[in-house]
Amino acid sequence: GNSVTQMEGPVTLSEEAFLTINCTYTATGYPSLFWYVQYPGEGLQLLLKATKADDKGSNKGFEATYRKETTSFHLEKGSVQVSDSAVYFCALPERGSNYKLTFGKGTLLTVNP
Amino acid sequence: EAQVTQNPRYLITVTGKKLTVTCSQNMNHEYMSWYRQDPGLGLRQIYYSMNVEVTDKGDVPEGYKVSRKEKRNFPLILESPSPNQTSLYFCASSQVRGSEQFFGPGTRLTVL
Repeated sequence: GNSVTQMEGPVTLSEEAFLTINCTYTATGYPSLFWYVQYPGEGLQLLLKATKADDKGSNKGFEATYRKETTSFHLEKGSVQVSDSAVYFCALPERGSNYKLTFGKGTLLTVNP
Repeated sequence: EAQVTQNPRYLITVTGKKLTVTCSQNMNHEYMSWYRQDPGLGLRQIYYSMNVEVTDKGDVPEGYKVSRKEKRNFPLILESPSPNQTSLYFCASSQVRGSEQFFGPGTRLTVL
């Protein structure tokens, strides 16, 4: 079935540093890809998505490009803020489904002032 | 405001005492799901429901029950909780044909 592997954390950065969180996937076909974010004490919320190869999803200064050649969907941000401290999850639909998602294990990001 | 609500947010109970965690969504979504989140294991799906009266097991269904009598509600039932069910639980919903899932705020359960 479809699966996703994301880099393990935790990741600790200083404010204004560049962020990359790696995510690679295994899938049949070209499913949509997602990044979800979980702020402290809250549920997950969709951060960005890409629905086809070469698409770039973006939101709140974060970007991720759907790269079928490398089966990757790395999350990047040029200048992180303290308020970006959260857990980030890469996700994709299970094979044969467009609603049941498989999540990576999450990457904890801490941004220090 | 479109949202998924869960109650209670925090619960401490004892082994064997039946409990129910409620979940409700106001977006008329067909699909609803329960996850548990544990350190080092990420999110694991417990049960899901495609629509009223249609439910199915996820990856870790043992020790849990669900029901879907109304479209908006999807309660999670632990008939005889055990300490290994101590976890953070999330309810989520989505349109069947759309993939974005909307999550509730979570319920932190401790079973002593």
